[in-house]
Amino acid sequence: AQKVTQAQTEISVVEKEDVTLDCVYETRDTTYYLFWYKQPPSGELVFLIRRNSFDEQNEISGRYSWNFQKSTSSFNFTITASQVVDSAVYFCALSEALRGGATNKLIFGTGTLLAVQP
Amino acid sequence: NAGVMQNPRHLVRRRGQEARLRCSPMKGHSHVYWYRQLPEEGLKFMVYLQKENIIDESGMPKERFSAEFPKEGPSILRIQQVVRGDSAAYFCASSTSEGGRAFFGQGTRLTVV
Repeated sequence: AQKVTQAQTEISVVEKEDVTLDCVYETRDTTYYLFWYKQPPSGELVFLIRRNSFDEQNEISGRYSWNFQKSTSSFNFTITASQVVDSAVYFCALSEALRGGATNKLIFGTGTLLAVQP
Repeated sequence: NAGVMQNPRHLVRRRGQEARLRCSPMKGHSHVYWYRQLPEEGLKFMVYLQKENIIDESGMPKERFSAEFPKEGPSILRIQQVVRGDSAAYFCASSTSEGGRAFFGQGTRLTVV
């Protein structure tokens, strides 16, 4: 069965530190997507990235970077030089396949609460 | 192009009442997904609909919950005879196709008193 594990429940860092949020997934699908979402205290879901299972290239977007390793079924997220505004719950998610293709039926991890102290 | 619109943003119901949550997908989107987030938990898939069809309702509780996405108008998630355990944030997402990127609404926070 598909599963997403975010083993870190809470992380606390001081501003300007780098922080990595771990995500490990299980799936039998050959085609799938992996996602990261940010949920700030206001409660909305902010899309950060969607990665296709066939694309293992790492991605960098400003202070954010993602490391996708199929060999270890991991999709880790690093924030460089963290800021107080990065404080939020971060969710990793995996898509389920339906009729042979990836869908938006997502399995979410339990989230990691990141607290960035000034 | 407006995003996915959910209303109301906050809904308070007494135990035993009905709750109706609305989701207007983005223009041109014909696929809608509903998720529930219980307090202090991650999101859980409930149901996937296309216009006038339920494609996957494997995450819907067997009783009291129903969803529809009519040919015209928003998708509706209906909860009958609400109980305290239904208190949660309900998110919907829409996409143009089954594998296209989905966009989430801001959620409806249901409180049952």
